[in-house]
Amino acid sequence: NAGVMQNPRHLVRRRGQEARLRCSPMKGHSHVYWYRQLPEEGLKFMVYLQKENIIDESGMPKERFSAEFPKEGPSILRIQQVVRGDSAAYFCASSPPSRAGYTFGSGTRLTVV
Amino acid sequence: QQQVKQSPQSLIVQKGGIPIINCAYENTAFDYFPWYQQFPGKGPALLIAIRPDVSEKKEGRFTISFNKSAKQFSLHIMDSQPGDSATYFCAGAYGGSQGNLIFGKGTKLSVKP
Repeated sequence: NAGVMQNPRHLVRRRGQEARLRCSPMKGHSHVYWYRQLPEEGLKFMVYLQKENIIDESGMPKERFSAEFPKEGPSILRIQQVVRGDSAAYFCASSPPSRAGYTFGSGTRLTVV
Repeated sequence: QQQVKQSPQSLIVQKGGIPIINCAYENTAFDYFPWYQQFPGKGPALLIAIRPDVSEKKEGRFTISFNKSAKQFSLHIMDSQPGDSATYFCAGAYGGSQGNLIFGKGTKLSVKP
């Protein structure tokens, strides 16, 4: 049973470009969460999604950031017009329908140059 | 209200020592307190968790002590080993293990041989 799969592992973007981060949850998991980790900081909650629904986006920046979890395929975190401050590790986690605990992926490390 | 404060920022112990990492929370609605272990380049992995109706929980060499009145909890690692060298994060959540996690900033532990 594969764990939570995130790709790419590393992503370099120039300022102003778009970044797309993908997350495939564990088999049988229907809930996906995105967290951001800045250097020397803890993880900060961004968004919680179920299939085709955003449940809680209270941690998402109001502009440039969006997330989706379509009926088919991985969850996508999209960052438009990236800036240097977006450089961070972005972690996805998934949980089963009961939401009893969740499993993190290995993250995508975004570097904006 | 949402913060979880973690200390120390870094910790060095000798093999066999007992590192202690402390966390304090503000939100009395929190009802689930997990600890995560993160190795470089990896996502956080759940180590042990406690609910506020118990004062202590042990799993192997890892123990959580919980003081509800002081709104503090701590992680003790018995007989620490070099393989325990990692960054440790405490967190709080409301809604049990189903809730969105509020993380501390992490403690980088180094266990010397």
